Amino acid sequence: DTGVSQNPRHKITKRGQNVTFRCDPISEHNRLYWYRQTLGQGPEFLTYFQNEAQLEKSRLLSDRFSAERPKGSFSTLEIQRTEQGDSAMYLCASLGGADYGYTFGSGTRLTVV
Amino acid sequence: GNSVTQMEGPVTLSEEAFLTINCTYTATGYPSLFWYVQYPGEGLQLLLKATKADDKGSNKGFEATYRKETTSFHLEKGSVQVSDSAVYFCALSANSGYALNFGKGTSLLVTP
Repeated sequence: DTGVSQNPRHKITKRGQNVTFRCDPISEHNRLYWYRQTLGQGPEFLTYFQNEAQLEKSRLLSDRFSAERPKGSFSTLEIQRTEQGDSAMYLCASLGGADYGYTFGSGTRLTVV
Repeated sequence: GNSVTQMEGPVTLSEEAFLTINCTYTATGYPSLFWYVQYPGEGLQLLLKATKADDKGSNKGFEATYRKETTSFHLEKGSVQVSDSAVYFCALSANSGYALNFGKGTSLLVTP
């Protein structure tokens, strides 16, 4: 499989619970990005990694959000104490070089009830 | 800050009609510009890109020209097909991290 894989595809959780999503990028891509997309909107940048280093975080990434990319391979995005406003599609993308050849995953749809 | 504005949809066209989806941007410096497409049930795919002024990106019959003077990157196709039905996103990248700023998306429905 040469694409970007995200798990789970769907997650329903109760408000206040913690959730964790996983992204497996294309193996030779050293940059990994997380975006959030709400209904009727375009994706919004959250954070990105170059290898294992988290180099930029958006102001959208509140203290309840944390992302990791141990060993520069897969990445996880954790949301603590979820709120209804966190309901969205969370997209992961990887990039291998400066040719803007992003590959996006299919996303994880989070519903907070 | 950097931002992208694109025409609101939905846009409904008959097969073989001409398509234009308008996109304008605000950015510091010299951004790169993109069109992404999202087919039903699928992830975002890069449709075309342009990295400097007056560049024309093209793919699958779609074209867009980077117009610095009007800060625009309008998407066009001469003859749309039913299979072009999707949501189209205009985006820019204006920083060293290559993060993308997206517009809100324009839904296109092409009817036979």
